[in-house]
Amino acid sequence: AQRVTQPEKLLSVFKGAPVELKCNYSYSGSPELFWYVQYSRQRLQLLLRHISRESIKGFTADLNKGETSFHLKKPFAQEEDSAMYYCALRGDKLIFGTGTRLQVFP
Amino acid sequence: DSGVTQTPKHLITATGQRVTLRCSPRSGDLSVYWYQQSLDQGLQFLIQYYNGEERAKGNILERFSAQQFPDLHSELNLSSLELGDSALYFCASSPRGGRGSYEQYFGPGTRLTVT
Repeated sequence: AQRVTQPEKLLSVFKGAPVELKCNYSYSGSPELFWYVQYSRQRLQLLLRHISRESIKGFTADLNKGETSFHLKKPFAQEEDSAMYYCALRGDKLIFGTGTRLQVFP
Repeated sequence: DSGVTQTPKHLITATGQRVTLRCSPRSGDLSVYWYQQSLDQGLQFLIQYYNGEERAKGNILERFSAQQFPDLHSELNLSSLELGDSALYFCASSPRGGRGSYEQYFGPGTRLTVT
């Protein structure tokens, strides 16, 4: 069975602090993992995908197959990073975690 | 703008009613996905259509159904509505229907309120 777990519903940090949004997954096959972001009053959009190994808006995420994790990290949070972040796993279908709301305070 | 459109933007209706949500995918995209987003459940995958045929099913209730038409637009039908069906319903589209590290493009959503 596929499962995506985002254990934190809310993460609050001050501007300039490091951020790590946790994502753990369960899937017996070879997973494809994504992070989607939803800014206030905007539609959900892709932030990054593990296969690209890219850094978008300063965010990175590394797939750790041993720990079955795909945590999203940014060394210095900005106020404009405040949003809802969803981790997603594509196995047989694309499923999303329950999301983590990131609040970055000035 | 992702190119995915959804109508209506807001819908308020009463329990027991039936509603239809419409989605037009990006030009050229063959797959359409429906998701339900509620405060307590997060984003739940409902169903996927690819080129007119059902491809994958998620946590979709029997009271809900969907279809994809020859012009590739899709409709999600919700019947016998309950208060708990109040949520934001998103449609997304992508070029293909199978596995592959391709992006899903989301529409702005339809906010359904059942009173």
